[in-house]
Amino acid sequence: DTAVSQTPKYLVTQMGNDKSIKCEQNLGHDTMYWYKQDSKKFLKIMFSYNNKELIINETVPNRFSPKSPDKAHLNLHINSLELGDSAVYFCASSTGGESNQPQHFGDGTRLSIL
Amino acid sequence: QKEVEQNSGPLSVPEGAIASLNCTYSDRGSQSFFWYRQYSGKSPELIMSIYSNGDKEDGRFTAQLNKASQYVSLLIRDSQPSDSATYLCAVSMEYGNKLVFGAGTILRVKS
Repeated sequence: DTAVSQTPKYLVTQMGNDKSIKCEQNLGHDTMYWYKQDSKKFLKIMFSYNNKELIINETVPNRFSPKSPDKAHLNLHINSLELGDSAVYFCASSTGGESNQPQHFGDGTRLSIL
Repeated sequence: QKEVEQNSGPLSVPEGAIASLNCTYSDRGSQSFFWYRQYSGKSPELIMSIYSNGDKEDGRFTAQLNKASQYVSLLIRDSQPSDSATYLCAVSMEYGNKLVFGAGTILRVKS
């Protein structure tokens, strides 16, 4: 009965490759997010979707492209991977786009670029 | 200037003591404040939310908010070794629920 699930848990790949991370939530939430946590453990938002509509798009290289086929899923595709992309990527969800809604996180995908 | 600031620690407290974790934020328009706990190699776990000035208690945890001073804190009473983790302060800045996180404070509870 996992609430927010991400696949894969670990991703090791070569520089220049393209990869995708998938996220699904079964909480019935309307809003989903992608965060990046770097080696210094700093957690920073990348994107947010509310009911399949992009509502937050931080300053992220356009090699990163999120896609939300429905409100329960939010995927992240990364083109031409670079060494600096190595990080843990967390998916999160909340009941709505309002600021008072707590966000619930998935277990993360640890991306390592060789 | 960082938007959300926390002392990185580590903060070391003996078992049974009160741990006090602090956070300041820069945006006066911030409305919602959250504390997350993150164990090493795990995901952030929500432990407290607070929206209005004053104290909010939940079990051994008390969150305190002072919007005039732009300050939010977390007190953990009767600290246990299992409380040893990184505590992340998060502030919601605007519509769209954009959470801005501090860098986290490492808490170590010694038995």
